[in-house]
Amino acid sequence: RKEVEQDPGPFNVPEGATVAFNCTYSNSASQSFFWYRQDCRKEPKLLMSVYSSGNEDGRFTAQLNRASQYISLLIRDSKLSDSATYLCVVTVSGNTGKLIFGQGTTLQVKP
Amino acid sequence: DGGITQSPKYLFRKEGQNVTLSCEQNLNHDAMYWYRQDPGQGLRLIYYSQIVNDFQKGDIAEGYSVSREKKESFPLTVTSAQKNPTAFYLCASSAGVNTEAFFGQGTRLTVV
Repeated sequence: RKEVEQDPGPFNVPEGATVAFNCTYSNSASQSFFWYRQDCRKEPKLLMSVYSSGNEDGRFTAQLNRASQYISLLIRDSKLSDSATYLCVVTVSGNTGKLIFGQGTTLQVKP
Repeated sequence: DGGITQSPKYLFRKEGQNVTLSCEQNLNHDAMYWYRQDPGQGLRLIYYSQIVNDFQKGDIAEGYSVSREKKESFPLTVTSAQKNPTAFYLCASSAGVNTEAFFGQGTRLTVV
């Protein structure tokens, strides 16, 4: 079983739609959680950290469920510019904090 | 400007040659990482370093070597022992354990 799993998609949605991605992780000792965005042939860029209480940044909301070992990303009012691959990232306590990436979920927002 | 610089952006090498990819950061970060990404795939960890003069193997270290002689520099050598070296190589750094990482623009290596 992979340490971090994501549905690769692609998710094809119309502009203005709300879309949600989930990511599951296998190690209950996972410490920190992040969502990154990666555009085609570019480097990943930090979208947001994920906190236990959940957090929101504009149209983006991230949630953490430690009991079920998953994190989620909700995008409201999708824009064409949201089209990208979204990477789920966790770090594991006692593992020198190395970052473990999921394979990514591809989002395509259509006009 | 503060950031992470990888060079070169594109690199072509003949099979059997060793090649070194550069990664420099001026963010004063302690931790540095090397990842490999193949088309349509996620990032796989090659090596990482939490402090100067120390580094650990990641999931796919075979055929690669690194050094961390200075805090700001973490070069990656792709050796001839690496069976499929053609890939997109990404260097990242973070302030410390369990913190977010920031990436360089990557190096696309093509071995012919």
